[in-house]
Amino acid sequence: QQPVQSPQAVILREGEDAVINCSSSKALYSVHWYRQKHGEAPVFLMILLKGGEQKGHEKISASFNEKKQQSSLYLTASQLSYSGTYFCGPIQGAQKLVFGQGTRLTINP
Amino acid sequence: DTEVTQTPKHLVMGMTNKKSLKCEQHMGHRAMYWYKQKAKKPPELMFVYSYEKLSINESVPSRFSPECPNSSLLNLHLHALQPEDSALYLCASSQRGQPQHFGDGTRLSIL
Repeated sequence: QQPVQSPQAVILREGEDAVINCSSSKALYSVHWYRQKHGEAPVFLMILLKGGEQKGHEKISASFNEKKQQSSLYLTASQLSYSGTYFCGPIQGAQKLVFGQGTRLTINP
Repeated sequence: DTEVTQTPKHLVMGMTNKKSLKCEQHMGHRAMYWYKQKAKKPPELMFVYSYEKLSINESVPSRFSPECPNSSLLNLHLHALQPEDSALYLCASSQRGQPQHFGDGTRLSIL
C-alpha cells in the first residue's frame, strides 16, 4: 500500500526551511528517503530504522515516529541544489520498496 | 555518474519489435530491481531478483520478460509492447534491506 506524502509541492526561497511528511497505514520498520532531479535517477538520501537509528550522508535530517507510522524529512537553510522531487519509501518485506507519490520542492534564489 | 549503468539511454520501438534493456552493476549487490516510472509519478516496482533468482514479480504483463544472467547483469526483454508502456525504465541494485542505487534509466517510446 502506497505511503502518503505531504505536502505535494513546496516552493521556497533559498535559505528557508521545509518539512516533508510520509505516513503509512502499515507498520513501519524502516523508511528510505530519495531525491530525484528532473531527468535524473533517484538518489538515496537517508534511511531511518526502527529504534531511531538514522543513516544518511547529507546535511538533511529526518525523524521516524513508529507509533504514528510517520517519517518526516527536514531541510534547513535550503540551497538551490535541494530542488527536486522527494520520495519516501517504506520497505515491505525484505526488498519491496514502495514509494510515496512524491513531494516536488522548488527552491528559488 | 551512477554506479549502475543502463543501456540504451533512449529507445524508440514499434509495437511489433523485440528489444532488450540492459543493466550492469559492479558493487557486489545481490539484489537487482526493475522499475517503471511515468512522468510526475513515483517509480513502480516491476521485478526483483535476489541472488540471480526472480523473487518478486508485481503482476507485470508477459510482454516484459526479465533475465538475470549473472550477479552483475540484469536484462529486460520487450516484445509486442503497447503505447501505454512508454515510460522511463529504471534499474536499481542493493544489498538486502539496504538503500537502492539507481541507474539513469532508459527512456522508452512505443510508436
